[in-house]
Amino acid sequence: GAVVSQHPSWVICKSGTSVKIECRSLDFQATTMFWYRQFPKQSLMLMATSNEGSKATYEQGVEKDKFLINHASLTLSTLTVTSAHPEDSSFYICSASGGGTGPQETQYFGPGTRLLVL
Amino acid sequence: QKEVEQDPGPLSVPEGAIVSLNCTYSNSAFQYFMWYRQYSRKGPELLMYTYSSGNKEDGRFTAQVDKSSKYISLFIRDSQPSDSATYLCAMKDNQGGKLIFGQGTELSVKP
Repeated sequence: GAVVSQHPSWVICKSGTSVKIECRSLDFQATTMFWYRQFPKQSLMLMATSNEGSKATYEQGVEKDKFLINHASLTLSTLTVTSAHPEDSSFYICSASGGGTGPQETQYFGPGTRLLVL
Repeated sequence: QKEVEQDPGPLSVPEGAIVSLNCTYSNSAFQYFMWYRQYSRKGPELLMYTYSSGNKEDGRFTAQVDKSSKYISLFIRDSQPSDSATYLCAMKDNQGGKLIFGQGTELSVKP
């Protein structure tokens, strides 16, 4: 149980294009999903928290107009990197809470999406 | 000072060794403690989940939480080459706040 998938697993794009990354909870309904960014040999940096049917909450320093998050259903959240630039190249990882509510719910992570912007 | 401190390593041990991984934290409100394992170029995988103080054992893995010292540990017995990965501690308070991660410790188990 508690499987989270991401698509695509890797993407290469030209500078200035937009890239959409999907995050799905396969065997549970996730009220809350999270988007992280990870640079090589560094820990995960939370970008935003996404609740189904409402606007995402972005962490300080994360541009909400550049990183568009949509959480339209209890099993799907998307992250769109708009007008991507080489500095946006990174490993993007989503996670989903384990199907319930309350602080005891932990997060299950997707396999990550590696983005390379040329 | 970071909220969660974790020695980044790298840590190299021979196969069969006992491995001790540790994190310290400064926020006394943290109640939920987790250890994740992350293989290279993969997402983190939940290994252990502990609420408040105490020990929890699962196979070769034991998690310890000492809230009085603000210190958590993960022990791996009979370490295997397949345990080679980065281990991340994470914690949160009982308000359902965001997970706060340590920097991660890179572990290499040599056959």
